[in-house]
Amino acid sequence: GESVGLHLPTLSVQEGDNSIINCAYSNSASDYFIWYKQESGKGPQFIIDIRSNMDKRQGQRVTVLLNKTVKHLSLQIAATQPGDSAVYFCAENMWPGNQFYFGTGTSLTVIP
Amino acid sequence: GAGVSQSPRYKVAKRGQDVALRCDPISGHVSLFWYQQALGQGPEFLTYFQNEAQLDKSGLPSDRFFAERPEGSVSTLKIQRTQQEDSAVYLCASSRRLAGGGNTGELFFGEGSRLTVL
Repeated sequence: GESVGLHLPTLSVQEGDNSIINCAYSNSASDYFIWYKQESGKGPQFIIDIRSNMDKRQGQRVTVLLNKTVKHLSLQIAATQPGDSAVYFCAENMWPGNQFYFGTGTSLTVIP
Repeated sequence: GAGVSQSPRYKVAKRGQDVALRCDPISGHVSLFWYQQALGQGPEFLTYFQNEAQLDKSGLPSDRFFAERPEGSVSTLKIQRTQQEDSAVYLCASSRRLAGGGNTGELFFGEGSRLTVL
């Protein structure tokens, strides 16, 4: 399943399928990005990060893609599991600033 | 504990009441951030400390909001004369990273303090 964070804030996928969550960031000067996962009633939890000198980075079951030309970031989750159900935020930062700007978020629901 | 601890987890205040929210960051973390998260929205930056110095308070919505970190560890966010629009979850995060020292490293968030103003 695939979402565009601003237009489709919810995404439902079958367990075992791959998920793609999209984010359009706002500042072309941003050079560091993080994806966070937030479960209900909890604080955001770090998933993966990427710098602007890269266009792809892989973690365990997750891949982040960065397209600076169109200011677009995506998070791919392989073999989605029920425990992946949460709201996912992208956050952008511009060195040497200390602020992280968060997007609106996309709610992912995994159907067993 | 090993994580960021916030208290109280839930606070109900009457409009006009003052509230204080506490954050215990991860031991040794130099940087501390406060964020405000309205229902269904992403966290919004309020303020940032490096040790005891408040280096950025540009996100504080009004002069009713005040934050301090007097000894460079525990921080308190105070909201005076609360209004209904202050209802939100207030998140605290800490990090090893230093301002101007490179934007490496993640923010470790607490579970937040949910404020409801009646």
